[in-house]
Amino acid sequence: AQSVTQPDIHITVSEGASLELRCNYSYGATPYLFWYVQSPGQGLQLLLKYFSGDTLVQGIKGFEAEFKRSQSSFNLRKPSVHWSDAAEYFCAVGAGGGGADGLTFGKGTHLIIQP
Amino acid sequence: DAGVIQSPRHEVTEMGQEVTLRCKPISGHNSLFWYRQTMMRGLELLIYFNNNVPIDDSGMPEDRFSAKMPNASFSTLKIQPSEPRDSAVYFCASSPGGGNHEQYFGPGTRLTVT
Repeated sequence: AQSVTQPDIHITVSEGASLELRCNYSYGATPYLFWYVQSPGQGLQLLLKYFSGDTLVQGIKGFEAEFKRSQSSFNLRKPSVHWSDAAEYFCAVGAGGGGADGLTFGKGTHLIIQP
Repeated sequence: DAGVIQSPRHEVTEMGQEVTLRCKPISGHNSLFWYRQTMMRGLELLIYFNNNVPIDDSGMPEDRFSAKMPNASFSTLKIQPSEPRDSAVYFCASSPGGGNHEQYFGPGTRLTVT
């Protein structure tokens, strides 16, 4: 069974500083990997995804993530954070294959932005 | 595009009552998912459907939980009888299928069982 670990429960970053949120996954084959963001009281919004190909993927809101198979990681990065980036961030893994499959989520990282 | 629609947004009920949560997926999407979010357990997959057929319900916690998808544009998640430990936010998500595995989430239903 697949699993996702987000080692940081909370991260505090100053506005304008760079950001990296860590994600490690466990899955026996090539996974489908996702990052979602959740603002308080809201649903989850897809930031970016990795299915295959280029291991550096670009997403919305200036985010990017890099898939590293050797480290089983899919870390999320942003060069300069804005106060509006404060939210909960979830990494998720889905099984590869032709059909849709349920996602396994990490426990999330709560991002706090300092002025 | 209206996105995934869930109703009600908030539900407060007493223990032992029946609760029905509703979801309308994005038009044209072939897969529908029900997730539950709690502080203790995070986001958990409960059940998912492909082309209206339940594929995997191994995440449904107990027989008190049931889900149906009578057509491509509607699904329900029912809890009968409800218990306080069922209090959570329940999300519905849909996916286009056909090799596109992106899932689009609704705003969720916050359920409180007293």
